[in-house]
Amino acid sequence: QSALTQPPSASGSPGQSVTISCTGTSSDVGGYDYVSWYQQHPGKAPKLMIYEVSKRPSGVPDRFSGSKSGNTASLTVSGLQAEDEADYYCTSYTDRNNYVFGTGTRVTVL
Amino acid sequence: EVQLVESGGGLVQPGGSLRLSCTASGFTFSSYWMSWVRQDPGRGLEWVANINQDGTEKYYMDSVKGRFTLSRDNAMNSLYLQMNSLRADDTAVYYCARKWAGTFDIWGQGTMVTVSS
Repeated sequence: QSALTQPPSASGSPGQSVTISCTGTSSDVGGYDYVSWYQQHPGKAPKLMIYEVSKRPSGVPDRFSGSKSGNTASLTVSGLQAEDEADYYCTSYTDRNNYVFGTGTRVTVL
Repeated sequence: EVQLVESGGGLVQPGGSLRLSCTASGFTFSSYWMSWVRQDPGRGLEWVANINQDGTEKYYMDSVKGRFTLSRDNAMNSLYLQMNSLRADDTAVYYCARKWAGTFDIWGQGTMVTVSS
């Protein structure tokens, strides 16, 4: 199972928006609404930010939003803040009862 | 507080074995699927395996099938990963995670496994 494709990096100034893409296939992202996004700060465990494409767990700011079109899912962070600087990973359920993660995107707040 | 705590990582020679443990607290462990996810700095995050609530269904990533075995003890609120025939490319931080709504909503702090001679 190949990893989902994410851009290696993305950046924006405080207050701006940044959007990260996550491209898979019809066997994973395109076939199921089980796409999630995780935030990971250095040396820390991943934290769930978005699940089922666009739902936010309790406590996650509404500045974080998710969407999907075809085989590509996206995470948008609006109103960028310094604490949003982190690595972001997507993941999707697949048709082999497995899960596949994205390659990861480093978000830098300029 | 909902918490997962992993243990059992360490340095092991190629071909060796290691058993990871994960102890859950703050939620009804027996009601959830559980998973292991690993992270190699060079390869990012990788899903390793899932187990259902009573341990009767297990799924593994292709590269660990036949070498890794997932089990759980609901009475002890514990999840285990028996890793045999370890290879250098198994080197990673191994995270225990709770599986919920098609995602991994709670993660442990991770335990490092290094396979090297």
